[in-house]
Amino acid sequence: AQKVTQAQTEISVVEKEDVTLDCVYETRDTTYYLFWYKQPPSGELVFLIRRNSFDEQNEISGRYSWNFQKSTSSFNFTITASQVVDSAVYFCALSEAEYGGATNKLIFGTGTLLAVQP
Amino acid sequence: DSGVTQTPKHLITATGQRVTLRCSPRSGDLSVYWYQQSLDQGLQFLIQYYNGEERAKGNILERFSAQQFPDLHSELNLSSLELGDSALYFCASSVEGTRWTGELFFGEGSRLTVL
Repeated sequence: AQKVTQAQTEISVVEKEDVTLDCVYETRDTTYYLFWYKQPPSGELVFLIRRNSFDEQNEISGRYSWNFQKSTSSFNFTITASQVVDSAVYFCALSEAEYGGATNKLIFGTGTLLAVQP
Repeated sequence: DSGVTQTPKHLITATGQRVTLRCSPRSGDLSVYWYQQSLDQGLQFLIQYYNGEERAKGNILERFSAQQFPDLHSELNLSSLELGDSALYFCASSVEGTRWTGELFFGEGSRLTVL
């Protein structure tokens, strides 16, 4: 069965600190997709990144970086030099959809609340 | 702005009542997904419609039902409401098939409070 575990319920850091949010997933499929979404206090869900199971290259986007390791079934998210505006709940999610597949339904982790203090 | 529109944004009602939540997907997206976010259950997938047909079903209660209309907007009907149904209900849309990108575009959600 698919499962996404975000063991960190809450993290508090001081501005400019680096912070890593952990995500561990379970799936029996060889083709799957991993996502990170951000939910700021306003409530909407904002897409951050998608990674497919065949691409283990790490990705960097500005202050954000993602480390995907199939060997440990992990897809961790690091924010470098955190800012107050990064305060939000961050969700990791898994989909077993295939290209051209029938459904993109996502299985979400329980989320990690990141509080960045000034 | 994701392009997905949900109404109403907030709704307060009483136990036993029935409500309808509405979602308009992004232009060109044929799939609509409904998710429920509550404190104890987290973000749970409820149901997916694709071009008017039910395509995938998740943890949707029998008291809940959904449909997608010919103009592709979708409605989620919640009946015999209980206190535990209080949650944020998200709609998301997606491109499927050969234009699939893997991303779900979420609306801002409808916050339901059952008193």
